[in-house]
Amino acid sequence: NAGVTQTPKFRILKIGQSMTLQCTQDMNHNYMYWYRQDPGMGLKLIYYSVGAGITDKGEVPNGYNVSRSTTEDFPLRLELAAPSQTSVYFCASSYVGNSNQPQHFGDGTRLSIL
Amino acid sequence: AQKVTQAQTEISVVEKEDVTLDCVYETRDTTYYLFWYKQPPSGELVFLIRRNSFDEQNEISGRYSWNFQKSTSSFNFTITASQVVDSAVYFCALSEASNYGQNFVFGPGTRLSVLP
Repeated sequence: NAGVTQTPKFRILKIGQSMTLQCTQDMNHNYMYWYRQDPGMGLKLIYYSVGAGITDKGEVPNGYNVSRSTTEDFPLRLELAAPSQTSVYFCASSYVGNSNQPQHFGDGTRLSIL
Repeated sequence: AQKVTQAQTEISVVEKEDVTLDCVYETRDTTYYLFWYKQPPSGELVFLIRRNSFDEQNEISGRYSWNFQKSTSSFNFTITASQVVDSAVYFCALSEASNYGQNFVFGPGTRLSVLP
């Protein structure tokens, strides 16, 4: 019963470094999402994917890239880390179709850029 | 455009008190879905309920109940006989059926502290 799994749980980066946040789900959900949550704030959508090979921008995509080569995996890439990207990142998935389902979230990745 | 407002930033209650968390939404769609999520201090997001716009029946699940009123565009959440374990940030969210899955809009959250 893994659900949505995110790695790593914590990471500290230096300005200008790059990294990939991993996300995998085992529920065969077609939709996947990346959100960021800044301290004391709600969630903002970075990117989403409606299926393998298809991705689209959310509200705050600048500074990030995504890919969806398989149904299960949806990695988020930061190319040039900036202090403004210090946040908690959540990956989520849902089934959208004849029976729309709610989003299921991973446990989050806490990222600090110093 | 979609919007979710949770006017209460923080609420503190004493254990066993009842507490209501407010959620007001804006949408132009006639068909939409509303959600509540709980984020305990450990940080994960836990799904609590989903309600579609055609179902205005109130729902009760144990100590939790939800009051959906389309006339006032509200989807309020009540915890009866609150417990310390209810301490968390609670998020209300909205997704329009016309683009379901493409845009979930979350409110800013209400931080609930239940004191022993």
